[in-house]
Amino acid sequence: QSVLTQPPSASGTPGQRVTISCSGSSSNIGSNSVNWYQQFPGTAPKLLIYTNNQRPSGVPDRFSGSKSGTSASLAISGLQSEDEADYYCAAWDDSLNGLWVFGGGTRLTVL
Amino acid sequence: QVQLQESGPGVVKPSETLSLTCSVSVGSMSGYYWSWIRQPPGKGLEWIGYMFHRGSTSMSYSGSTNYNPSLKSRVFISVDSSKSQFSLTLRSVTAADTAVYYCARYCSGGTCYGYYFDYWGQGTLVTVSS
Repeated sequence: QSVLTQPPSASGTPGQRVTISCSGSSSNIGSNSVNWYQQFPGTAPKLLIYTNNQRPSGVPDRFSGSKSGTSASLAISGLQSEDEADYYCAAWDDSLNGLWVFGGGTRLTVL
Repeated sequence: QVQLQESGPGVVKPSETLSLTCSVSVGSMSGYYWSWIRQPPGKGLEWIGYMFHRGSTSMSYSGSTNYNPSLKSRVFISVDSSKSQFSLTLRSVTAADTAVYYCARYCSGGTCYGYYFDYWGQGTLVTVSS
């Protein structure tokens, strides 16, 4: 029931490239930038990507983001075991008086 | 480095009011939005709302807040920069309000080069139960 749609799970082996999709609509992703957050169990989310494709200081360049139309993607290259976490996309939604909306989250498993 | 820490009761009775405080370790709270986000157990994130602190006074009450429409009738956020704190009040709680509540700083435009939640507290679990 999340406004932004993400696959519930994704997986890959060490060294692989994995992508996680985030689908929205014209009122959110279609007209606003997308952020991605990484969350390990029992901890707070951490900003991973902002404004579609920008990395905060300290985030490895193995993580990259892109946006096209009403969809966005997070790519992780050179997958490592420590990347196993939940990933959430987020965007501002212009409907009503506006609100921040999140995807339902994708659990990434490193096999 | 900005650090945030939530505090408040871990259990609230149904129909009562949930009150949480977030203590911020930063030189000044002015020029930023201060936000609350929650996460029900095993579920995704839900934005509750935020308040902008202009910095001209120690308290920010109105005119600079934005709340999730689904919670707007029950929620209130205030900032007390003299104490480096901001607070969340959620009235008439039900079991559906059981969640980990996070406070976060919202960076908006200007030197932020975007709009995002950049610093988060560790979160505090609030259970609504009699």
